[in-house]
Amino acid sequence: QITLKESGPALVKPTQTLTLTCTFSGFSLSTSGVGVGWIRQPPGKALEWLALTYWDDDRRYSPSLKSRLTLTKDTSKNQVVLTMTNMDPVDTATYYCAHLQTSGWHSSFDYWGQGTLVTVSS
Amino acid sequence: EIQMTQSPSSVSASVGDRVTITCRASQSISSYLNWYQQKPGQAPKLLIYAASSLQSGVPSRFSGSGSGTEFTFTITSLEPEDFATYYCQQTYSTWTFGQGTKVEI
Repeated sequence: QITLKESGPALVKPTQTLTLTCTFSGFSLSTSGVGVGWIRQPPGKALEWLALTYWDDDRRYSPSLKSRLTLTKDTSKNQVVLTMTNMDPVDTATYYCAHLQTSGWHSSFDYWGQGTLVTVSS
Repeated sequence: EIQMTQSPSSVSASVGDRVTITCRASQSISSYLNWYQQKPGQAPKLLIYAASSLQSGVPSRFSGSGSGTEFTFTITSLEPEDFATYYCQQTYSTWTFGQGTKVEI
């Protein structure tokens, strides 16, 4: 059974760096074809894909946020960490991590964490 | 960055209705298109991947079609639990989501 859970601060100040941890079970990030992604959703707004890390350390980032995002993975702890620098109130959102399902050349997020709300305010 | 445009933004429907949502890509994405359902306070749920493949466990009243730049998502007979917001997502090039379509009573 695959589960994922996000953890991190609920409140950060503007200009600070946000660090979120996705802790998962039921799969290994050292297995070929596996990946974990991050997606966020501002209150009342649409989903926004942020970043994705694959089993082979390939990492992809949203072009509009690439300069602010870093993904790291700890395979032994079954964790993926997302850091986002220079936080702004517009970054207030629920942040989700999700398991990547691959079928041939096609990928999708088939399991999601419950999400964690991060508010950026002084 | 590929832009995904969904229409309509919202649709009013009744139980038993057929509902169709369109998703258009700003450039061709072949069949690299997924559909998700999201209910208030919940994480999204994968319904359709690769434009037309039904995710395991998802009822057959949900379907998807299309390729290139135009895609369609259909619920053949709306059930009470289907009132939600639906998102398309392209995975052809640095992934992006559509703005969502709210299916409401």
